[in-house]
Amino acid sequence: EDKVVQSPLSLVVHEGDTVTLNCSYEVTNFRSLLWYKQEKKAPTFLFMLTSSGIEKKSGRLSSILDKKELFSILNITATQTGDSAVYLCAVDNYGQNFVFGPGTRLSVLP
Amino acid sequence: ETGVTQSPTHLIKTRGQQVTLRCSSQSGHNTVSWYQQALGQGPQFIFQYYREEENGRGNFPPRFSGLQFPNYSSELNVNALELDDSALYLCASSWREEDTQYFGPGTRLTVL
Repeated sequence: EDKVVQSPLSLVVHEGDTVTLNCSYEVTNFRSLLWYKQEKKAPTFLFMLTSSGIEKKSGRLSSILDKKELFSILNITATQTGDSAVYLCAVDNYGQNFVFGPGTRLSVLP
Repeated sequence: ETGVTQSPTHLIKTRGQQVTLRCSSQSGHNTVSWYQQALGQGPQFIFQYYREEENGRGNFPPRFSGLQFPNYSSELNVNALELDDSALYLCASSWREEDTQYFGPGTRLTVL
């Protein structure tokens, strides 16, 4: 059965801290891994990763994929209160289905 | 804003009733997927429609059914509602050859 695991499930930090969120997966047919940020309702797209070792960056956020070890990390530097959200990792098993992890709930305190 | 809209925003039903949720895809997207997200959990895949045909289904019973229309809007129907069906229902649209799915704001369903 396809599975995506995220850790930690919950994290509380202070503004300015750097955080690393983890995502590991087991899927039969891997096409890509995606990260989403969910604040209230709709998850919003952050990154799509298809190749190992190539870092994707967007401002203070960055992510990298390791297809050999079957995991990805999402880094957020200099966190701000606006980064407080649930971060979801999902794996696309060739378009039939996106398998989501349970999410990491990040709380950034002022 | 992703361009994906859902209606209604909130809905309250009682056990045994039937419900229809609606989704309007982002312009140009011909694939729509539906997800159920229980409180504190990640979204669970219900099914996907591509050009009006079901293209994949998750581990949900047949009382969860769907439709996709020629304009690529979509419906999710749930019959014989159960208390455990209370959740946020998300639809996501994509262009078939692309991986990125764009989510709508969701419909919060409460079954009493």
